[in-house]
Amino acid sequence: TQLLEQSPQFLSIQEGENLTVYCNSSSVFSSLQWYRQEPGEGPVLLVTVVTGGEVKKLKRLTFQFGDARKDSSLHITAAQPGDTGLYLCAGRIRTSGSRLTFGEGTQLTVNP
Amino acid sequence: ETGVTQSPTHLIKTRGQQVTLRCSSQSGHNTVSWYQQALGQGPQFIFQYYREEENGRGNFPPRFSGLQFPNYSSELNVNALELDDSALYLCASQPEWGGTYEQYFGPGTRLTVT
Repeated sequence: TQLLEQSPQFLSIQEGENLTVYCNSSSVFSSLQWYRQEPGEGPVLLVTVVTGGEVKKLKRLTFQFGDARKDSSLHITAAQPGDTGLYLCAGRIRTSGSRLTFGEGTQLTVNP
Repeated sequence: ETGVTQSPTHLIKTRGQQVTLRCSSQSGHNTVSWYQQALGQGPQFIFQYYREEENGRGNFPPRFSGLQFPNYSSELNVNALELDDSALYLCASQPEWGGTYEQYFGPGTRLTVT
């Protein structure tokens, strides 16, 4: 059973389009992080959200943590080819220390 | 500030052999976690080390073991390698216990078992 469900699994869009990636769980997370990973490399931390309802913006990326801290979304405005990569959400459950539970990832391809 | 480094970058082993992977944590970070990432999947937690002690373990058999040294670097050892152990092995470090527990990943070691 996957603790964190990400959708969609694959996304192929044209440059300039907007997109949203979702991360859902039945568990409550103390904090949730979004990472971006390129082939053959380790995940790179984009953002950490800790408060229910929190919204963080990073240039064209907007991250939201659900009020109940069970879900999160990543919205990209005017996607660019450089945004191509695997986007991973990872949550920390209070009873599991600092271990991160990852979703399966969303593979985003932005075509020029 | 030096980030997380891992060695080797790639490794090919034969089924039944043993392997040791190494990780140097980011400066000032005393907690190291290891993850296994199979192709097309998200990373899976193997175990974590804090101040040289194992501090949590995921659903991996005992043939996966680790060490952390006084300088906070770490090793992952896998005995009796199986074909399914082929994956990208990621090491992540984090600063002092507590806070937002942000983890910073190394580039990984790609292990292929034939």
